[in-house]
Amino acid sequence: GAGVSQTPSNKVTEKGKYVELRCDPISGHTALYWYRQSLGQGPEFLIYFQGTGAADDSGLPNDRFFAVRPEGSVSTLKIQRTERGDSAMYLCASSLQGSQTYEQYFGPGTRLTVT
Amino acid sequence: AQSVAQPEDQVNVAEGNPLTVKCTYSVSGNPYLFWYVQYPNRGLQFLLKYITGDNLVKGSYGFEAEFNKSQTSFHLKKPSALVSDSALYFCAVTSGGFKTIFGAGTRLFVKA
Repeated sequence: GAGVSQTPSNKVTEKGKYVELRCDPISGHTALYWYRQSLGQGPEFLIYFQGTGAADDSGLPNDRFFAVRPEGSVSTLKIQRTERGDSAMYLCASSLQGSQTYEQYFGPGTRLTVT
Repeated sequence: AQSVAQPEDQVNVAEGNPLTVKCTYSVSGNPYLFWYVQYPNRGLQFLLKYITGDNLVKGSYGFEAEFNKSQTSFHLKKPSALVSDSALYFCAVTSGGFKTIFGAGTRLFVKA
């Protein structure tokens, strides 16, 4: 079956612009996660959704970052007033249920470059 | 605070030899431990996990890992390495919530 998909695969934007990154999870997966991965580092947790609600957004670095999942499936990560430091690979993952014990299935990521 | 340490940036091993990729963790409650692998130009893939029970867990592609509570470790092992095992390996932990903490990764290079 289809895995987690993310669009776009690459996004180049100018400093100060607004960007949206999209994630389509595996069908039937109720839990969805966003991570940010910088070169040479492991994924850094940003936010976790259980269904439509953000159950844990403690990893969002500041109020320029926001994510939604209005129908409990597709999610969008939104970044306002982008800064060069936002440049990174943004990963989305989903899991069957929102439990600490379930493994996550990752998408290929969106590489964001802020010039 | 939760943390994961992968002390080796890179591990080099000859094909056919056993391999070990090290991971230690620090959590305040019961740990749930995972290994993921990242091949070039591909997303992270789940390898195996420890939740409870037998300390030795087996996963995909012949990999296994041993949970050691006293040493707070969860080292990844394989008895006989393949060149195709060359990739980036991440250890991860969850505990007391849904936030998953990943290590910085260890690059495994298997030489033919």
